[in-house]
Amino acid sequence: NAGVMQNPRHLVRRRGQEARLRCSPMKGHSHVYWYRQLPEEGLKFMVYLQKENIIDESGMPKERFSAEFPKEGPSILRIQQVVRGDSAAYFCASSPPGLAPLMGEKLFFGSGTQLSVL
Amino acid sequence: GQQLNQSPQSMFIQEGEDVSMNCTSSSIFNTWLWYKQEPGEGPVLLIALYKAGELTSNGRLTAQFGITRKDSFLNISASIPSDVGIYFCAGHLADGNNRKLIWGLGTSLAVNP
Repeated sequence: NAGVMQNPRHLVRRRGQEARLRCSPMKGHSHVYWYRQLPEEGLKFMVYLQKENIIDESGMPKERFSAEFPKEGPSILRIQQVVRGDSAAYFCASSPPGLAPLMGEKLFFGSGTQLSVL
Repeated sequence: GQQLNQSPQSMFIQEGEDVSMNCTSSSIFNTWLWYKQEPGEGPVLLIALYKAGELTSNGRLTAQFGITRKDSFLNISASIPSDVGIYFCAGHLADGNNRKLIWGLGTSLAVNP
């Protein structure tokens, strides 16, 4: 049973380009969370999605960032017109359906995508 | 802003020593979670705490949910080299969004064999 799969592991972009980060949750999981981690800092919540629905995007920057979790395929975190400040590790986590997400327990994290903006 | 104070920021110990780290806040939490993150990987849940006063063990790890609901500690007994990593506390505020984990800044642990 594969864990949470994120790709690519490393992504290099020049300022102004678009970055697309992918996350496939664990089998049977229907909730996906995206977090951002800066060096020597904890994780910052960005967005929580269920299939075809954004449930909570209160941690997402208002511009240039978007996320989706389509009915088929992985969840995508999209960053348009990247700037150097977007350089960070982006982690995806998933959890099974039911009440668990409301308690925040049983989050399983992927290995992250390290985004570097030149 | 930052709502969890995690200490110490880093530790360098000898193999076999016990380790203690803690998280404190001025706010009340409903849950406390302790994660370990190794280089280039995502965090892995070690222990989850749900009730004030709860004391839970996972092998050599023991964690407690403070009575005031404003703090938690994690102890590691008889450390070994594979304990190396960054340990994060995280929790859900009692008056906050239960989907949004608040994270400490981590305690970096180095173990000298």
